[in-house]
Amino acid sequence: EAGVAQSPRYKIIEKRQSVAFWCNPISGHATLYWYQQILGQGPKLLIQFQNNGVVDDSQLPKDRFSAERLKGVDSTLKIQPAKLEDSAVYLCASSLVRDWGYGYTFGSGTRLTVV
Amino acid sequence: DAKTTQPNSMESNEEEPVHLPCNHSTISGTDYIHWYRQLPSQGPEYVIHGLTSNVNNRMASLAIAEDRKSSTLILHRATLRDAAVYYCIPYAGNMLTFGGGTRLMVKP
Repeated sequence: EAGVAQSPRYKIIEKRQSVAFWCNPISGHATLYWYQQILGQGPKLLIQFQNNGVVDDSQLPKDRFSAERLKGVDSTLKIQPAKLEDSAVYLCASSLVRDWGYGYTFGSGTRLTVV
Repeated sequence: DAKTTQPNSMESNEEEPVHLPCNHSTISGTDYIHWYRQLPSQGPEYVIHGLTSNVNNRMASLAIAEDRKSSTLILHRATLRDAAVYYCIPYAGNMLTFGGGTRLMVKP
């Protein structure tokens, strides 16, 4: 089966600019996650969707980050305006069943550099 | 969420077994212990999981202490492709919460 697709693979922007990341999960996976991974740290969950509804966005900095999952398939994560500390890899993951901890499939991520 | 303690890094020789430890003394009785690994420039991938009994699959074995306060991921014969960061994650059924993990280096 095809994996989780993410684009772009790399992005360099100046601080205060805006940026958007796209994720296409595995077909049929109802749950979608966005993680932020700062260099040298483990991934941190930003937001979790079940179909097109938000399950958990408690760790999402809502003053600058937003995410949507239209029609319960693709998702976009946006940062506006970006700060230097947003430099990180943004990982998208999907799972067939939300309760299955072994069922997460991750994309390769988008590496964001804010200068 | 249960807290985990893993060594920051470990080193192994190729073709030798590797034992990666994890302490999770605050784990709840119903949390499964999951292990994921992250190869360079890739997202994490599932390795193995278990509740109480030891588990084996084609990638690794998982040994869980009787009191469930610790577990050990066993790679029976490390290869260069096993060089990665390994994460031990007690899972309560809501979301995967990653700690710092153990960076495994494999020497030829």
